[in-house]
Amino acid sequence: EPEVTQTPSHQVTQMGQEVILRCVPISNHLYFYWYRQILGQKVEFLVSFYNNEISEKSEIFDDQFSVERPDGSNFTLKIRSTKLEDSAMYFCAASRGTYNEQFFGPGTRLTVL
Amino acid sequence: AQTVTQSQPEMSVQEAETVTLSCTYDTSESDYYLFWYKQPPSRQMILVIRQEAYKQQNATENRFSVNFQKAAKSFSLKISDSQLGDAAMYFCAYRSVETSGSRLTFGEGTQLTVNP
Repeated sequence: EPEVTQTPSHQVTQMGQEVILRCVPISNHLYFYWYRQILGQKVEFLVSFYNNEISEKSEIFDDQFSVERPDGSNFTLKIRSTKLEDSAMYFCAASRGTYNEQFFGPGTRLTVL
Repeated sequence: AQTVTQSQPEMSVQEAETVTLSCTYDTSESDYYLFWYKQPPSRQMILVIRQEAYKQQNATENRFSVNFQKAAKSFSLKISDSQLGDAAMYFCAYRSVETSGSRLTFGEGTQLTVNP
C-alpha cells in the first residue's frame, strides 16, 4: 500500500541554521500539508499546498518557513533560520482532494541546539 | 476559531474490555468532519474513524465506533474487545467544511494503555 515517506527521520541542527525537511507524498495525492507537534503538545497545522501554491497557512507559518515542490515528487518544508522553539516533530500529510482523508508520514524529529 | 478538547490525558483498559475516549469541540459551524487518529509508538498517524456532522448515524469501523452528539458538541470513541495493538496515543480532530481550507484541528491526545 502506498505511503507518505519523510526524510530524514531525525535532524539535529544548530540555532540559526537552515533546514529542509522532505516528504514524498502518495503519487495521485495532490493536496499536501505540514503539521508540527512540539513534545507534549497538540499537533498543529502549519500549511497546505495545492497546484504549486499555498492554499492556507497558520499563524505559526511565518516568513521563516517556506514550502515548495521542486521536482514534482518531493514536497519540502524549509526553515530559514532555526530557533530553539522550532524543535518538534514535523509531519507531512497528503490527500487526494480537499475533503479526502489525509494520510500522514512517519514524521521528522527536528532538534535545534 | 474551532477548538478540540480531550480531557483524558491517559486511559487504560484490560485486554478484551471496552474503553471510551472523550472529545469535545467548539464551533459555530453546522457542517464539518470529525476524526479519530491513532498514533502508535512508531509515530505515524493513522485514521481510525471519521464522522460527517450532517449524518445523524454514528460511524462504525469494526471494533471502533463513535458516539456523536452534535448538540452537545461531543464526539467520543468506543473501542470494543480491546487488543494489545490498540495501545497508542489517540487524537480527536476537526475539519471545517464551510470555510475554505482543509486544515485539521487536533485535541491534546489521550494515551491509551492496554493491559494484558
